[in-house]
Amino acid sequence: NAGVTQTPKFQVLKTGQSMTLQCAQDMNHEYMSWYRQDPGMGLRLIHYSVGAGITDQGEVPNGYNVSRSTTEDFPLRLLSAAPSQTSVYFCASSSLTSGTDTQYFGPGTRLTVL
Amino acid sequence: KQEVTQIPAALSVPEGENLVLNCSFTDSAIYNLQWFRQDPGKGLTSLLLIQSSQREQTSGRLNASLDKSSGRSTLYIAASQPGDSATYLCAVLDPNDYKLSFGAGTTVTVRA
Repeated sequence: NAGVTQTPKFQVLKTGQSMTLQCAQDMNHEYMSWYRQDPGMGLRLIHYSVGAGITDQGEVPNGYNVSRSTTEDFPLRLLSAAPSQTSVYFCASSSLTSGTDTQYFGPGTRLTVL
Repeated sequence: KQEVTQIPAALSVPEGENLVLNCSFTDSAIYNLQWFRQDPGKGLTSLLLIQSSQREQTSGRLNASLDKSSGRSTLYIAASQPGDSATYLCAVLDPNDYKLSFGAGTTVTVRA
């Protein structure tokens, strides 16, 4: 049981490049979400999903796309990277039906946009 | 829009002292409140989760209370140890859309 995994751990991009951050969970959780963490600002929700085929925007969705084709995977796409997207990105998952609602976080992806 | 505040932003105590961390939120209509620990360069680890109908939760040296009506939660860590040094974050879950709103965290240093 690996929990929530994220790849890559580190990434450096040039302005304008695109890339996909991968997130996977093996706990059969319905709910998955992406956050970015910036110094002094806490974690902010980018996008979330309550099940396969369903996604919705969070607090800071601009410049990011998501899709949820399977229960296990929830990739985050940066369409055209900007320096303002330099941040640490966390993926999280939780069950909506078990009654515990505990959020489990991945180890994070540290992204630098030059 | 839910606003979550954690005061103080940083705290330094000698080993053995009890820690008191505060979290306040503006909208009392929450599904639950969760306390997390984050070590430098690492992800978040869930410590305690309090459902909206509960008043407190305990795990070992940790105790978290919830006063939903006043929009406050407190995390108590008894007999602090250097290994407790980390950033502690609280987050509240919206019952309508399951969005989690985080505070900025309290960074704790326990001096040996």
